[in-house]
Order: sequence, then structure tokens, then C-alpha cells
Amino acid sequence: AQSVTQPDIHITVSEGASLELRCNYSYGATPYLFWYVQSPGQGLQLLLKYFSGDTLVQGIKGFEAEFKRSQSSFNLRKPSVHWSDAAEYFCAVVSSGNTGKLIFGQGTTLQVKP
Amino acid sequence: KAGVTQTPRYLIKTRGQQVTLSCSPISGHRSVSWYQQTPGQGLQFLFEYFSETQRNKGNFPGRFSGRQFSNSRSEMNVSTLELGDSALYLCASSFRGNSYEQYFGPGTRLTVT
Repeated sequence: AQSVTQPDIHITVSEGASLELRCNYSYGATPYLFWYVQSPGQGLQLLLKYFSGDTLVQGIKGFEAEFKRSQSSFNLRKPSVHWSDAAEYFCAVVSSGNTGKLIFGQGTTLQVKP
Repeated sequence: KAGVTQTPRYLIKTRGQQVTLSCSPISGHRSVSWYQQTPGQGLQFLFEYFSETQRNKGNFPGRFSGRQFSNSRSEMNVSTLELGDSALYLCASSFRGNSYEQYFGPGTRLTVT
């Protein structure tokens, strides 16, 4: 069965430091992958997506992610974190043959220290 | 373009009651998916509607149902509410063309007492 794993439940970084959030997926074919961000009490905002082509994708708010098929990973990165980046981040994959269904990881909560 | 809207934003119901939540997708989007978010189970897919037809359904009991109207607006209904139904219910819309991107609304926070 398809699955998405985010190994880190909670991460704390200092403002200005770099960030990497990990995401591993289990999927037979080329996956369609997403990163979403959720601020407290809010819905999910799409940060970026990977469908095919260039394995390094750029998103909004200065985020990028790299698809590595050999490692079944799609890690999210940001060179310099801002206090406003504190939120919960979700990695997701489109379910095979079921394009209206996203399978989410458990999420990673990012705390930013001043 | 206006985003996905959900009403109401907050709801408190008593166990055994039923509830209806509403979702208006982004203009031009024909697919609406619903998700339940809880601290214990995370984000779980409920169902998807496209052109007024349920295309996919998640692993939830029959108490959870939905429908879609000709203008793509969607409603979901939960009957005989249980305490465990307390959650944030998120609606997402997509164009359902070549893109699989889903755009989420702010959610409806349902509390069952």
C-alpha cells in the first residue's frame, strides 16, 4: 500500500538557519508529490509539487524540494528560516489510480527560535 | 480568484445529532475532496466528488456521506455523531484536468460533546 513517512515529528531551528524536512514515500510508479503547510487553525497551503522532469522544484516562500527516486525521498529545504515559517508541514502523494485522493504523512511541526 | 470557502467555520454538536458541512470550490474547479484531520489519525481522505458523482471513497463508516451540486458546491453529512467525530474537516478543490493539485479551504472545526 502507498504510504508517506515524515520521520521527524517536531523540529526546532534558529531563525536564519537552514532547514530540511524529510519525506519518504512508498509508491510503485513515478509519484506525484506535494508539500503543504498549515498554520494553526488554518487550512493547508500548497508549497510546491513534483510531477516529472527536473528533480529540484521551487515553491513559494523560498522553499524548494528535491525528488530522489533512488532514496524514495522528497525532502523540503529552505536556506534561511524566518519566524513566520513556524507551522506544520505535510508531505503528500497522489494515490495511484485515484487522483482525487491525497495520502499524507503525519506532519512535521517546525518551531523557530529567535 | 476566490479560494475555497467552507461554512460554517466552527460547529458544536451533541452526540447522536447529525451535521451538514458546506464547501464552495474555486471557480472552474470541478472536483471536490473531503478530509478529516485529527491529532491521532492525521489527515484522512473521506471522499471525492466530480461532476456530481462520487468518484472515490475512503475508509469511513456509512454515517459519513456527501454530495455535489451542479455548480460544483459540495456538502458532507455526518449522522449519529460520535465523540470521535470531533475533528477539523477540510475540503479541497481541483480542476481535474492534467493537474492533480488540490487547493484547501480553511476547514470546519466540529466539536461533538
